[in-house]
Amino acid sequence: GQNIDQPTEMTATEGAIVQINCTYQTSGFNGLFWYQQHAGEAPTFLSYNVLDGLEEKGRFSSFLSRSKGYSYLLLKELQMKDSASYLCAVRVSPPDSNYQLIWGAGTKLIIKP
Amino acid sequence: ETGVTQTPRHLVMGMTNKKSLKCEQHLGHNAMYWYKQSAKKPLELMFVYNFKEQTENNSVPSRFSPECPNSSHLFLHLHTLQPEDSALYLCASSRPGLAGNEQFFGPGTRLTVL
Repeated sequence: GQNIDQPTEMTATEGAIVQINCTYQTSGFNGLFWYQQHAGEAPTFLSYNVLDGLEEKGRFSSFLSRSKGYSYLLLKELQMKDSASYLCAVRVSPPDSNYQLIWGAGTKLIIKP
Repeated sequence: ETGVTQTPRHLVMGMTNKKSLKCEQHLGHNAMYWYKQSAKKPLELMFVYNFKEQTENNSVPSRFSPECPNSSHLFLHLHTLQPEDSALYLCASSRPGLAGNEQFFGPGTRLTVL
């Protein structure tokens, strides 16, 4: 079967660093996405990893280990506006096709002053 | 603004009503998707269209009927829904063929079935 696991909820302090983990077991792998979703809003794209290693984009970084079926999203210098749900998704079909994404249930991140 | 719009944003309907959800994308994408998002559950892919042709139907009940008249517009026709169909319905679009081509989502329609 297809399965993606993320913690349901995390709490962190403004200005701190938080790491959100995602583990996956899927029938195929053609990349892993992280999306941010504020309450009542559309999910928005944060990052994409297809090769092992760390991708850095400003305050956000995403890491992938394909052999371990593991990814994490690292958020630095947390701001109150980072309070949102963070969704992990794995693409299981080839890039040149309509791709199916298998989604995790999301991690709700709460930032406290 | 992601370039994908959805109307209405909120919808309350009875089980015997017929309604339609509309999605429009202004990004020049050729693939469009309907997802269902329920609280604390993963996004569920319902339908996929590529160049107006339906390519995925993930065992969705027939009370949900999609329509894609062109690559920019997508509809979801609803009839005789059940209370368990209450959820956030998200539309997305993408441009297959590009590595890392993410899906762009609309803000969703919050559907309540009474």
